[in-house]
Amino acid sequence: AQKVTQAQTEISVVEKEDVTLDCVYETRDTTYYLFWYKQPPSGELVFLIRRNSFDEQNEISGRYSWNFQKSTSSFNFTITASQVVDSAVYFCALWPHSSASKIIFGSGTRLSIRP
Amino acid sequence: GAVVSQHPSWVICKSGTSVKIECRSLDFQATTMFWYRQFPKQSLMLMATSNEGSKATYEQGVEKDKFLINHASLTLSTLTVTSAHPEDSSFYICSARGQGGLNEQFFGPGTRLTVL
Repeated sequence: AQKVTQAQTEISVVEKEDVTLDCVYETRDTTYYLFWYKQPPSGELVFLIRRNSFDEQNEISGRYSWNFQKSTSSFNFTITASQVVDSAVYFCALWPHSSASKIIFGSGTRLSIRP
Repeated sequence: GAVVSQHPSWVICKSGTSVKIECRSLDFQATTMFWYRQFPKQSLMLMATSNEGSKATYEQGVEKDKFLINHASLTLSTLTVTSAHPEDSSFYICSARGQGGLNEQFFGPGTRLTVL
């Protein structure tokens, strides 16, 4: 089965707290890509990161960081010093190489940052 | 980065009418375009994949006669919701994939359809 699980449906934290969004994926492919997207209330998907299955290096971009662990099939996303503008729905997604470009989205995590 | 536009951004129509949504790749040629539907508080669900010049491939459970997809050029795909009903009200998002490169998909801003 090819699947993305985001177990956290909703998370609410106070501004300036760190928050981690979990993502677990399943695929039989050895070649695949993982993505994170942000969807603010406007609805437009904002691309955050793409990772291929051969690159397990963690990445940091400003307050955002990603932890890719193939051993646990996880690709978690951490926001440090959260801000109200980070409030959105975040989707983790998987593109297995064998899927003819079909991206499989997780169910999303709704993140609310309280001032 | 590559830009994908959608028109209209929102539309309200009466039940029984047809609505056409356009998806354009503005600065690249899209050999493949995808149409997604997103109901409130749910994830994106792929409806169909279309390749330029050929018939679209629909996902299981998606009525091809109701959701007509045309991909007549490398920069334009259209989704027509025929005889729309209130249950078709949703957020429709297209994405486009270019030729070669990293095969990355670029998403449009979405179209919110409300059927009264």
